[in-house]
Amino acid sequence: EVQLVESGGGLVQPGGSLRLSCAASGFTFSDYEMNWVRQAPGKGLEWVSYISSSGGTIHYADSVKGRFTISRDNAKNSLYLQMNSLRAEDTAVYYCARDAMFGLCFDSWGQGTLVTVAS
Amino acid sequence: EIVLTQSPATLSLSPGERATLSCRASQSVGTYLAWYQQKPGQAPRLLIYDASNRATGVPARFSGSGSGTDFTLTISSLEPEDFAVYYCHQRSTWPPYTFGQGTKLEIK
Repeated sequence: EVQLVESGGGLVQPGGSLRLSCAASGFTFSDYEMNWVRQAPGKGLEWVSYISSSGGTIHYADSVKGRFTISRDNAKNSLYLQMNSLRAEDTAVYYCARDAMFGLCFDSWGQGTLVTVAS
Repeated sequence: EIVLTQSPATLSLSPGERATLSCRASQSVGTYLAWYQQKPGQAPRLLIYDASNRATGVPARFSGSGSGTDFTLTISSLEPEDFAVYYCHQRSTWPPYTFGQGTKLEIK
């Protein structure tokens, strides 16, 4: 069974940093492209960042470019999101999401981890 | 950036009725469109990919159609567990990947 388990969320002050992790199991992690998607309280879904299976290609949403860094460790079956210079508008549930092999979509999602940016 | 506009924002129907949800793209996305269902407190769940293909385990009452800029998600006969928020999502031109703002399907 495919499992994605996020961790690392919490309360942080504006300007602070946080590192999210996503532990993958039940599939060959190194074969899959991965993403972070977030959802502000009561709002819709917003794609945040993408990383290719090897880590060689990375993309960011303009809203986080220069502040967030996506990375992965295929030996540890883990995906990461380093978040710096956090702002109130970064408050959201952050999901890791797997790209499907069969089509252009996210076929598996973690349960999410809540990041709250407030003083 | 491709903007996806979903309509209606809220749809009020009764179990057993047919639901038709719309997603319109600001420019053509071909058939690179997916639909997700999200229930309160849960992660999104993939329903439809490539505009009309049902994901594994998705009941046959869910169907997707469309191409280019106009897409439809149809639920043929609503079950109680279908009341949720539905999002469309395009993968044609990226970055960024974009989502629609969602349609809330509520019990009438």
